[in-house]
Amino acid sequence: KQEVTQIPAALSVPEGENLVLNCSFTDSAIYNLQWFRQDPGKGLTSLLLIQSSQREQTSGRLNASLDKSSGRSTLYIAASQPGDSATYLCAVRPGNQFYFGTGTSLTVIP
Amino acid sequence: DGGITQSPKYLFRKEGQNVTLSCEQNLNHDAMYWYRQDPGQGLRLIYYSQIVNDFQKGDIAEGYSVSREKKESFPLTVTSAQKNPTAFYLCASRYRGMAEAFFGQGTRLTVV
Repeated sequence: KQEVTQIPAALSVPEGENLVLNCSFTDSAIYNLQWFRQDPGKGLTSLLLIQSSQREQTSGRLNASLDKSSGRSTLYIAASQPGDSATYLCAVRPGNQFYFGTGTSLTVIP
Repeated sequence: DGGITQSPKYLFRKEGQNVTLSCEQNLNHDAMYWYRQDPGQGLRLIYYSQIVNDFQKGDIAEGYSVSREKKESFPLTVTSAQKNPTAFYLCASRYRGMAEAFFGQGTRLTVV
């Protein structure tokens, strides 16, 4: 069964810092990996989707990379802002199901 | 506007009651999913459906039931057999052939 791990569980940084969130998965046979953002008490908002054939995707200040063979993905956030404070989750899809990590709770301090 | 609508936002259940959570999407998506989220545990799959009138159990289906009579609707019933139903429930959908999943805003269920 696919296991997804996210490190660190929590992260606190001053505004303006660049930061990296990590996601690892145990089975490299995936169709894609998706990064989400979740604000407290809310649903998940899709940030970036990386197909298994891709190495990275970018959207604004966000860049996600995928190394399928090693079972790793990173989400890079440039020039962090207080509005980036949220929980970030990664999910992999090996078939019809998605498997989620437990998330990284990010706090950006003004 | 297209999207996924979950209702109600908050739901309270008495011991022994069945309750139904609604999930409606107007995205013309084929697949729909129900997840449960507990603090520190991530999202766990309850049920999913790829097409109308067909659905499969996820990892934690015991005490839950679903139906898929219409493409746009995938209601979840939390039965009295579910011993610890207090959680945040999330519905998602995906268009077959497209990878990206989209989520609703969730329903918080509390047992009183």
